[in-house]
Order: sequence, then structure tokens, then C-alpha cells
Amino acid sequence: NAGVTQTPKFQVLKTGQSMTLQCAQDMNHNSMYWYRQDPGMGLRLIYYSASEGTTDKGEVPNGYNVSRLNKREFSLRLESAAPSQTSVYFCASSEVGADVTDTQYFGPGTRLTVL
Amino acid sequence: LAKTTQPISMDSYEGQEVNITCSHNNIATNDYITWYQQFPSQGPRFIIQGYKTKVTNEVASLFIPADRKSSTLSLPRVSLSDTAVYYCLVGYYNQGGKLIFGQGTELSVKP
Repeated sequence: NAGVTQTPKFQVLKTGQSMTLQCAQDMNHNSMYWYRQDPGMGLRLIYYSASEGTTDKGEVPNGYNVSRLNKREFSLRLESAAPSQTSVYFCASSEVGADVTDTQYFGPGTRLTVL
Repeated sequence: LAKTTQPISMDSYEGQEVNITCSHNNIATNDYITWYQQFPSQGPRFIIQGYKTKVTNEVASLFIPADRKSSTLSLPRVSLSDTAVYYCLVGYYNQGGKLIFGQGTELSVKP
């Protein structure tokens, strides 16, 4: 039981490049989340998926797209990376639904640098 | 506007009790308060969750006053291994359903 896994662990991009961050969970959870973490800003919600087939914007969605590929996988795409997107990205999942404050289980994070 | 506020940092010594307060003025009636712990280069990890009054588990207690506009995480007898960043998470469901983390409190435990 690996919990929540994220790939890659580290990535360096040039401005304007695109990439997809992958997240998978093996706990049969319904909800999945993408956060970014910046110094002094804490964790900010980018997008979440309350259930398979649904996605909703969080606090800072601009510049990102997401896909809930199936119940296990939730990907985050940067179409045209900008230096302001340099951050650590965390994926999380929770058992029930995103309409309650359910316990979230986090992945190890992806450290992204955009030059 | 939804906002979750915590102190940026705290210092303590081994064996002391540490109390970290989170302010969440606009919490909705049905929202829970959840606290997470994060070590460097790791994702946050669940510590405790509560709705009102007091909740206690094997690692911490959570105190929530009647007006629920704040909450206090209490760590009894901290050790060096409790040095970490602690986050408060609240759902503001009367403001579009947003889950808002506090900025995090960096706790440093000294010998």
C-alpha cells in the first residue's frame, strides 16, 4: 500500500514549456487535490476533484489544468510554464468527498523550478 | 474574505507543553477544523480534527471555544522530533466551499 505517489520528484523547466505532474492513490479514495506550497504562503489549493469525472477550481487555478483520469489518478498540467509557478506541488486524496473537511493524505511532493 | 491565521513561528524546550492557536473568523456552521504536521521534504500529515469543545488523541489535543472563531492545538511534553511546521485547515463553506490552510507555524523545540 503505497498511499499517494507523485512523479516526478524534481523538474526544471524553461519559461513557456509545458509539463504534466502525475498523481496516483491506491486507497480507493473518492476525492483528490492539487496544492502548491510557497515560502510564507502555506498550502494553497489549485484544483480538486470530489469524485471521478468531476473537477473544481480552488484558490489559485490560473495557469493550470487538471484531469481526473480515473478514480486512482489525478494529473496537473502546466501548458506554458512561468517563473511564478516555481513551487513545491503536493497531491492529496481523501476518502469521502471534498464537501466535508475529510482527512487528507498527502504525497511526497514535486519540486518544480521554472527558469 | 476567508482567512485562516496562525503565528509564523514558536520556540519551545523539550518537555514543555506547546499551544498553537489558529484564527478562523468566518468558519461555517458545519465546518471541521483539522491540523496537519509537516517535516522538511515531506507532505503534511494528519494530526487531529475537531468540530467543537475538546478532542484528544494519542499525540495532541484540540480545543475549540463555543464561538468556533479560533482553535488551539496543544502538544503535551514536546520532544526534539516535534520540530516541524504545523498547519490549520478550515473549510469555509459559506464562501464558495474553499478549503483554506493557514500559513503554518514553524515550531522549533530546543534541548
